Amino acid sequence: GDSVTQMEGPVTLSEEAFLTINCTYTATGYPSLFWYVQYPGEGLQLLLKATKADDKGSNKGFEATYRKETTSFHLEKGSVQVSDSAVYFCALKPFQGAQKLVFGQGTRLTINP
Amino acid sequence: KAGVTQTPRYLIKTRGQQVTLSCSPISGHRSVSWYQQTPGQGLQFLFEYFSETQRNKGNFPGRFSGRQFSNSRSEMNVSTLELGDSALYLCASSDTSGRDYEQYFGPGTRLTVT
Repeated sequence: GDSVTQMEGPVTLSEEAFLTINCTYTATGYPSLFWYVQYPGEGLQLLLKATKADDKGSNKGFEATYRKETTSFHLEKGSVQVSDSAVYFCALKPFQGAQKLVFGQGTRLTINP
Repeated sequence: KAGVTQTPRYLIKTRGQQVTLSCSPISGHRSVSWYQQTPGQGLQFLFEYFSETQRNKGNFPGRFSGRQFSNSRSEMNVSTLELGDSALYLCASSDTSGRDYEQYFGPGTRLTVT
């Protein structure tokens, strides 16, 4: 079945550091790919998405490119802030069939001042 | 527009009891999905409702059920609670499908089973 694998956390960085959170997927066809963020005590917020190969999703300084050849959707940000501290989830929507999201296990990110 | 709302936010129940959680989607959204979030299993899809019909179902026992009303509000019921049902239950709504699919999540209901 479809699945998503994220780099294990937790990840701790200093403010203004470069961020990469790796995400790879296994799926048939061409799924849509997403990054969600969860702040403490809250639900998930859609951060960005890409719906086809080579698409780049971007939002709030975060970027991710849909790489079909490597089945990856890595999240990057050039300069992180303390306010970026949260749990980040990579997810896919299957190409056909169920209207649902399949999530990775989440990566906890802590940014120190 | 108001976001997805879930009630109650916190709930404590005893093993063997049953519980009903409620979700109000974003106005105009007809699809409502439920997910269970636990530290061990992560985020797992429970089911999705669209226009009062269950359209998709995850791999959960029959103790987990749901329904959707004509105004798109949804409820989720868990009967004969077990300790392992302790989790954050997230509701999400959507008004899109196919490649443009996006889900918007509520804050969740944290259920503790003792």
